[in-house]
Order: sequence, then C-alpha cells, then structure tokens
Amino acid sequence: DAGITQSPRHKVTETGTPVTLRCHQTENHRYMYWYRQDPGHGLRLIHYSYGVKDTDKGEVSDGYSVSRSKTEDFLLTLESATSSQTSVYFCATRKRGGVPFFGPGTRLTVL
Amino acid sequence: KNEVEQSPQNLTAQEGEFITINCSYSVGISALHWLQQHPGGGIVSLFMLSSGKKKHGRLIATINIQEKHSSLHITASHPRDSAVYICAVHISNFGNEKLTFGTGTRLTIIP
Repeated sequence: DAGITQSPRHKVTETGTPVTLRCHQTENHRYMYWYRQDPGHGLRLIHYSYGVKDTDKGEVSDGYSVSRSKTEDFLLTLESATSSQTSVYFCATRKRGGVPFFGPGTRLTVL
Repeated sequence: KNEVEQSPQNLTAQEGEFITINCSYSVGISALHWLQQHPGGGIVSLFMLSSGKKKHGRLIATINIQEKHSSLHITASHPRDSAVYICAVHISNFGNEKLTFGTGTRLTIIP
C-alpha cells in the first residue's frame, strides 16, 4: 500500500470553528486530491494539487481552501465549518499517468 | 448532469452469478479507473484502462473509447465481492490531471 495517512481520522466540531485536515504521503506523488463522500453523491472533488504551491478548485470548493507547501503534505482547511460540511473526507495521491491511492478517510461532524 | 454515470446504483445477486456494472462518461478522457470500496470505507484501485480489456482473477474490465463506455464484470461472484464499485475518469487538462467519479454501484452477493 502507498504510504498515505490522514489526520485526524475523526473530528467533531462546532459550527463556525476553523478545521484543518492533513494528508501526508511518503510516495513522492505529484498529484494530490481532496474529496468528500456523501450518500447519493459519491466522491466529489474539493481541490487538487499538481505540484508544490500549485492547486486548483474542484466541483465543490466553496467554503474550503488548501495549501501544499511541500510534496508530502496537502492541507484542507474549513475556515468556518458549517453543518453542510459534515462528511467523510478522502485524500488521494497519484503519480503522473498512474493509479490513485487513497488515504483511510476522515469522518468530520459539524454540530 | 454528472460527467460519469454508473448503472445500476444497487445490485443484489446470488453467489455464483455473473455480474456486470456499467459506466458511461461524456467527456474526452485519457484513462478510466475502476475502484472498490469495502464496507469499512477503504478505497482501492482495481483497474486503469485506456483501451481494450484487462483481467485480474475473476474481474474483467473493458472499455470502448468511441462509445464512451466501460464495463466491470465479475465471474463466479462470491459474498466477499460485496462492496461499492466506483468508476472514475481521468481528464487531462494541460497537465493538470483531474479524476472525476461516478456515484458508485453497491453490490451485494447473497450466499
């Protein structure tokens, strides 16, 4: 398995608080992705990165920001969490032309 | 309309049956992926296809680029095949590689 970890694995927070999720990889993969998974929607792309400091928005990017200051780390920040952001968040990585590898997921609950 | 459509959304079959899951997409792609998500939540890649057919054990994946359609087949299905199967397409946009997912097919194999 590719070395992809996510932290935290579970988090409960209150509406209006900032939250940062971390994805860490040891594979030196160029591309990194943040997805959310909700019933009936499947995996939806929030943001992705195609290199250090190079990021782009996905289809559900509103309310989220990302940063990638080094190859191995991709951070997802919810500046002010809302209940609609309760979800399971998956990080994925891949090298150019390769298959995606997924992290174990982070279950976020916003009360 | 989602760029990636899967059918059926849910499928229940008896052990031993031949299973087919379909994926249609509406955009130009450079590759298509089939992934498996087990009840515990972990997501693993099964196949990456850009043309033709691939086989791994009892799993077979095919793709028809002209028709923008792919199928995943499972022969001699077993209860351990019960999982969500997800189709994803790899859209390459000036080097910024994006993965877009279907909503998944939930497969249940009854002993």
